[in-house]
Amino acid sequence: DAMVIQNPRYQVTQFGKPVTLSCSQTLNHNVMYWYQQKSSQAPKLLFHYYDKDFNNEADTPDNFQSRRPNTSFCFLDIRSPGLGDAAMYLCATSRDFNSGEQFFGPGTRLTVL
Amino acid sequence: GENVEQHPSTLSVQEGDSAVIKCTYSDSASNYFPWYKQELGKRPQLIIDIRSNVGEKKDQRIAVTLNKTAKHFSLHITETQPEDSAVYFCAARGEASGNTGKLIFGQGTTLQVKP
Repeated sequence: DAMVIQNPRYQVTQFGKPVTLSCSQTLNHNVMYWYQQKSSQAPKLLFHYYDKDFNNEADTPDNFQSRRPNTSFCFLDIRSPGLGDAAMYLCATSRDFNSGEQFFGPGTRLTVL
Repeated sequence: GENVEQHPSTLSVQEGDSAVIKCTYSDSASNYFPWYKQELGKRPQLIIDIRSNVGEKKDQRIAVTLNKTAKHFSLHITETQPEDSAVYFCAARGEASGNTGKLIFGQGTTLQVKP
């Protein structure tokens, strides 16, 4: 009965080699968020979708892109990963913007070699 | 932009003692304040939240208080147990979030409960 699923849980990539992280949800929520979390830090919002409407945070690097082909799935594409992009990437969902709880997925731990 | 300050950054208590974590926020229009618990290598999980029309909320050993005038809110854990050891994040959401549901997180508090 997993609600927010992320795949893979661990991803190793090489410097500059594109990588795609996946998130899916069974909650039928309108909003999906992508966060980057580095060690001992709070989650940092990269962008979010309300349905198909995309909103990029002002300080999210162009290297990060996202796609949401349908309600259930959302992808994070890192076009040219750098060493500084190694982090935990968390997907979260909420029913609406002001509905309350954001449900987090288990995260994908990205390692860049 | 909106800012949330969280203190202390680390907290160590003996099992059975109480733990208090405090947060202050800058946007007076903030109206929703969740607390998340994150165990090592796991997802953040909501443990309690409070809205701006309420001053206090309790759930068993956990309580949250909100002082809108002072713009601060606190997490109280009573009768702490070793399994309470984790990183706790406060967050705030309000008008400065541009009606996007964006949560502004505090820096986190690492709570260690010693048996």
